[in-house]
Formats: sequence, structure tokens, C-alpha cells
Amino acid sequence: SQQGEEDPQALSIQEGENATMNCSYKTSINNLQWYRQNSGRGLVHLILIRSNEREKHSGRLRVTLDTSKKSSSLLITASRAADTASYFCATDSNTGNQFYFGTGTSLTVIP
Amino acid sequence: DVKVTQSSRYLVKRTGEKVFLECVQDMDHENMFWYRQDPGLGLRLIYFSYDVKMKEKGDIPEGYSVSREKKERFSLILESASTNQTSMYLCATTSPRGVSYEQYFGPGTRLTVT
Repeated sequence: SQQGEEDPQALSIQEGENATMNCSYKTSINNLQWYRQNSGRGLVHLILIRSNEREKHSGRLRVTLDTSKKSSSLLITASRAADTASYFCATDSNTGNQFYFGTGTSLTVIP
Repeated sequence: DVKVTQSSRYLVKRTGEKVFLECVQDMDHENMFWYRQDPGLGLRLIYFSYDVKMKEKGDIPEGYSVSREKKERFSLILESASTNQTSMYLCATTSPRGVSYEQYFGPGTRLTVT
């Protein structure tokens, strides 16, 4: 399976702290994406980083990619209670037509 | 904004029933996907389709079939539901013509098979 893995599986922090989640994957990629899922809902796209990029920012989100280690990290700065959700990384197949999702990190931000 | 809708949010069926889950998108996307999501296993791809009447098996197609007669609609069929198909089912779309290839997800259908 090409499925990735997120680490940690669960994370609990206080509001205002930073949250870091990691993703490891198995094969070479074109792109890596991060998604968020609120409880019982569909996933929402957060950010995409291409294989030739090392870092990308979007608002309070910072994503890094290390293709040599086949890993990525998602940093959420100054977390809010509303950031409580599960976060998934997804990598694409060689054709770009198929996506492989990790098992997710469950983030709880305590007000 | 892309809108992806799924026919039901919650569904309860009996073992052996034939179950249809429908997904409709309004953005003329070519690619559509069906995933199931289970605790500790993440999202697993069941089937995907890159064009009308075209389908490809994903990682776990056993016990499922799909139908794509129109571009905007992708149906997942459980021929004979079993209790191990109790899960959250998520539909997603993407356009290979898009810059980002991001997937747009429906709200999900939580299926319980008793």
C-alpha cells in the first residue's frame, strides 16, 4: 500500500500553542496535500506543496516537505479551539489521478 | 465553489440488501472517487472514475461496484450489504485540468449494516 502515516495519532494542546503534525509516505510523489476533517464531515483541502518545493505558507499554516526522507510536516501556529479536527496528508500517484491518504492526526485544542 | 453532494447523511440497511450511494458534483470535474473511512485505517479508495462509463478499481473494490452514466453523477453500489461494510463513505472529485489537483469532498454517508 502507498498509504502514508501521520504522527502523532492524537495531539492535545492549549489554545495559543503551536501544533505540529508529521506525515511519512512510501513512494516518490508529484504533490503532497494536507486536508482537514471536522468530526463526521467531509475533508477540506488546506494546502498543496509540490515535490520541488521545500516550504509553503498559508495564513497560520506552514508546510514543509523533505523528499529525501519522504516526509512532510504541518505546523499550525497560534492554535484556536476551532482548529480542533483531524488532519490528513495525501500523496498522489505517478499519473496524478489517484490519491493516497494517511491515517490522520486528531488535534484537540483546549480553550 | 464546487459542490459535492451525497444522497444520504445516514443510512441503515440490513445484511443482504442492495445499497446505492449516490454522489453528484456541479463543477464538470472529470475525476470522481469513492472512499471508505474507518477508525485507525484512514481513507481507503474503493473505486474511481476518470470519465463517463470509465472506472478503475482502488485498493478495496471487493463487495462494491460503481456506475457513472453521466459526468456529474457517480454511484457506489453494495450488491449484498454485509456488516463489515458498516463505515463512513466519502465521495470526492477533482479535475486533472486544475492547477492544484485538490480533491473536493462530499459531506459523507455513514452507513450502518445490521
